[in-house]
Amino acid sequence: GENVEQHPSTLSVQEGDSAVIKCTYSDSASNYFPWYKQELGKRPQLIIDIRSNVGEKKDQRIAVTLNKTAKHFSLHITETQPEDSAVYFCAGSGNTGKLIFGQGTTLQVKP
Amino acid sequence: NAGVTQTPKFQVLKTGQSMTLQCAQDMNHEYMSWYRQDPGMGLRLIHYSVGAGITDQGEVPNGYNVSRSTTEDFPLRLLSAAPSQTSVYFCASSARTGATGELFFGEGSRLTVL
Repeated sequence: GENVEQHPSTLSVQEGDSAVIKCTYSDSASNYFPWYKQELGKRPQLIIDIRSNVGEKKDQRIAVTLNKTAKHFSLHITETQPEDSAVYFCAGSGNTGKLIFGQGTTLQVKP
Repeated sequence: NAGVTQTPKFQVLKTGQSMTLQCAQDMNHEYMSWYRQDPGMGLRLIHYSVGAGITDQGEVPNGYNVSRSTTEDFPLRLLSAAPSQTSVYFCASSARTGATGELFFGEGSRLTVL
């Protein structure tokens, strides 16, 4: 089955810097890769997703890139702000009905 | 719309007790799922359902049962609680089957097993 590995587990950046979180997946049949943000004590919420027919997707300060050959995808946050501090999860799924999450990255943005 | 509603929000059980976590959604989503969240381990899929009458196992199904008699409801049953089941449980639903669309999560249920 699918396995998703996420790195780093913690990331600390200065406000205004960029942050990059990387994930690898094992199932070459996976075709959907979302990213979720979870603020402290809250539920996870989708921030961006990408499908396997696209190499990159942007939404304001957030972008996701996908390398199908290498089976990895990354989240890029530019011009980080204190409100970006949260836990970020990547995930992957094919057509099996299973969305498998990575272990999570705790991002701290220092003012 | 209330979205995805989970009850209870908090529960303390003794080892060996059974209980049911309730999950209901009012978005007419076919796909529903249960995850548990433990520190450092992310969100792990317990069971999922692609429609009424259909359920399947996720990554960590042992010790849990589910049923899906209606589109709206997807309860999670702990048959004989163990301390290893202490966790935060999230129910989620999606308009797309195959887990290839946005998941809408409930607020979570924090379970402690003594």
